[in-house]
Amino acid sequence: AQSVSQHNHHVILSEAASLELGCNYSYGGTVNLFWYVQYPGQHLQLLLKYFSGDPLVKGIKGFEAEFIKSKFSFNLRKPSVQWSDTAEYFCAVNTGGFKTIFGAGTRLFVKA
Amino acid sequence: GAGVSQSPSNKVTEKGKDVELRCDPISGHTALYWYRQSLGQGLEFLIYFQGNSAPDKSGLPSDRFSAERTGGSVSTLTIQRTQQEDSAVYLCASSLGQLFNSPLHFGNGTRLTVT
Repeated sequence: AQSVSQHNHHVILSEAASLELGCNYSYGGTVNLFWYVQYPGQHLQLLLKYFSGDPLVKGIKGFEAEFIKSKFSFNLRKPSVQWSDTAEYFCAVNTGGFKTIFGAGTRLFVKA
Repeated sequence: GAGVSQSPSNKVTEKGKDVELRCDPISGHTALYWYRQSLGQGLEFLIYFQGNSAPDKSGLPSDRFSAERTGGSVSTLTIQRTQQEDSAVYLCASSLGQLFNSPLHFGNGTRLTVT
């Protein structure tokens, strides 16, 4: 069965630090990849997505992610985090049907 | 426009009772999903509906769980004979559904506590 692994469950950073959250999936075929974010007290919302083309995709609020097919990875990055980036981040994979599988999530806390 | 609406926002029930959770998707969205979010477990897929196709029930954890979607719109997730391990946040999401890569739009969830 397809699965999504997020390596870090909790990350604590100071403002202006760089961020990289790992995501690996297990599926050998074509995939659609997503990062969703849940800010405190808010609902889950889409941060960015990859379907095809340029493997480096840019999302809202300065986030980007790189799809590396050979590594089955879709890591999320941001060069300089802000206190407002404190949230839980979920990686998700869709393997061509309507079923989307999510990782366990990474809780990011940014110290002001 | 209006987003995905879920009710109730919180539900406390006694072990053994049945509960119904409701989801109103975004108008025009043909795909509807239910997920369960437990502490430290991420989002667990439960079921999805797409148009008039048979639902994918592969994520339902036991036969105590069922869901229906009436008229291609509102959906109800029913949990019979609730157990303490059913305590979680139940999330509903909808998407346009025409494409597999349509992003999901989530509601605020129903927090279920089984005492």
